[in-house]
Amino acid sequence: GNSVTQMEGPVTLSEEAFLTINCTYTATGYPSLFWYVQYPGEGLQLLLKATKADDKGSNKGFEATYRKETTSFHLEKGSVQVSDSAVYFCALSDQSNDMRFGAGTRLTVKP
Amino acid sequence: DTGVSQNPRHKITKRGQNVTFRCDPISEHNRLYWYRQTLGQGPEFLTYFQNEAQLEKSRLLSDRFSAERPKGSFSTLEIQRTEQGDSAMYLCASGPGQGSNEQFFGPGTRLTVL
Repeated sequence: GNSVTQMEGPVTLSEEAFLTINCTYTATGYPSLFWYVQYPGEGLQLLLKATKADDKGSNKGFEATYRKETTSFHLEKGSVQVSDSAVYFCALSDQSNDMRFGAGTRLTVKP
Repeated sequence: DTGVSQNPRHKITKRGQNVTFRCDPISEHNRLYWYRQTLGQGPEFLTYFQNEAQLEKSRLLSDRFSAERPKGSFSTLEIQRTEQGDSAMYLCASGPGQGSNEQFFGPGTRLTVL
């Protein structure tokens, strides 16, 4: 079945550091891929998405490219801020309608 | 606020009691989803509605769980005879459908079963 594996955390970075959170997936067919973010005490928010191979999703300085050849959708940001501290979830959705999530990666950014 | 809302935000109950949670989706969305999230894990799919029809149910949804969406708007999730293992965050999401599989999440209901 479909599944998502993402980099285990926690990840701790200094402000302005480069961020990569790895995500790989297993799926039949051509799923859409998503990154969600969960700030402390809040619900999941859609950060970015990509619906087909080679698409790049971007938002708030974060980017991820849908790589079919490596079945990956790694999240990157060139310069993190303290306000980016949150839990990040990689997810996929295909025609079956249920969304499969990774276990989440907790990011802490220190000033 | 036009986002997904869930009530209550927190529920503490004793083992064996029944609980019911409510989800109000974004008004123009015809798809509604329920998920369960335990500590340190990502959300796990429970069930999905297209308008008032319940179209998919996960094997995680035991016969103690029942979900309804009677008028195709709000939804309720009931857990009967709660067990300690039911303690989790229960998330609701809605989506527009019509070729989009985006889902927009509510804040969740945290259930603690003593």
